[in-house]
Amino acid sequence: GAGVSQSPRYKVAKRGRDVALRCDSISGHVTLYWYRQTLGQGSEVLTYSQSDAQRDKSGRPSGRFSAERPERSVSTLKIQRTEQGDSAVYLCASSFLGDRGHNEQFFGPGTRLTVL
Amino acid sequence: AQTVTQSQPEMSVQEAETVTLSCTYDTSESDYYLFWYKQPPSRQMILVIRQEAYKQQNATENRFSVNFQKAAKSFSLKISDSQLGDAAMYFCAYRSVPGYGQNFVFGPGTRLSVLP
Repeated sequence: GAGVSQSPRYKVAKRGRDVALRCDSISGHVTLYWYRQTLGQGSEVLTYSQSDAQRDKSGRPSGRFSAERPERSVSTLKIQRTEQGDSAVYLCASSFLGDRGHNEQFFGPGTRLTVL
Repeated sequence: AQTVTQSQPEMSVQEAETVTLSCTYDTSESDYYLFWYKQPPSRQMILVIRQEAYKQQNATENRFSVNFQKAAKSFSLKISDSQLGDAAMYFCAYRSVPGYGQNFVFGPGTRLSVLP
């Protein structure tokens, strides 16, 4: 079985443009997460979804970031009106079970976004 | 809000030697989970070891072990018999028991180099 994959691996966007990052999780996994990883600051969770074929329910952060889950094992992170501060690596992760603290999350290789 | 601190941005160890990576955290919760993740240059994060806060016994996974000091809020990772493949970024992470996505907190990471 393939692991979590993300595309593209690298993305350069002009400030103000919208971008969409894709994540293909492991088949059968229930919960999908998106993290933003910045050098020296670690990773912060942006959003997660625990249902299939539904929009993300976390509501965090609000505004320019949103996630959609058009298929059970696919998630798309959309960033509207990108800002230079959005430059980071965006990691997708999934877990087999629901969003419980002890459930292992499997991470994708990340997408490095650079906003010019 | 919980915070995770890794005070060593970079560490190096000689092959076959032992190295300890430090991690401290701040929380007001009594029950939670702690993790160490490894992120090789390919960027895919892999779970190394997990500790439940209610367990007094330190977790061990082959050459990896932790020193969990709950009162001191310390969670260090010891790697014995270091191998070249251990070279990576290591992230310490905290997660609340209910595990809602917002409560997964990573430290800034420690880059470990293994010298032949």
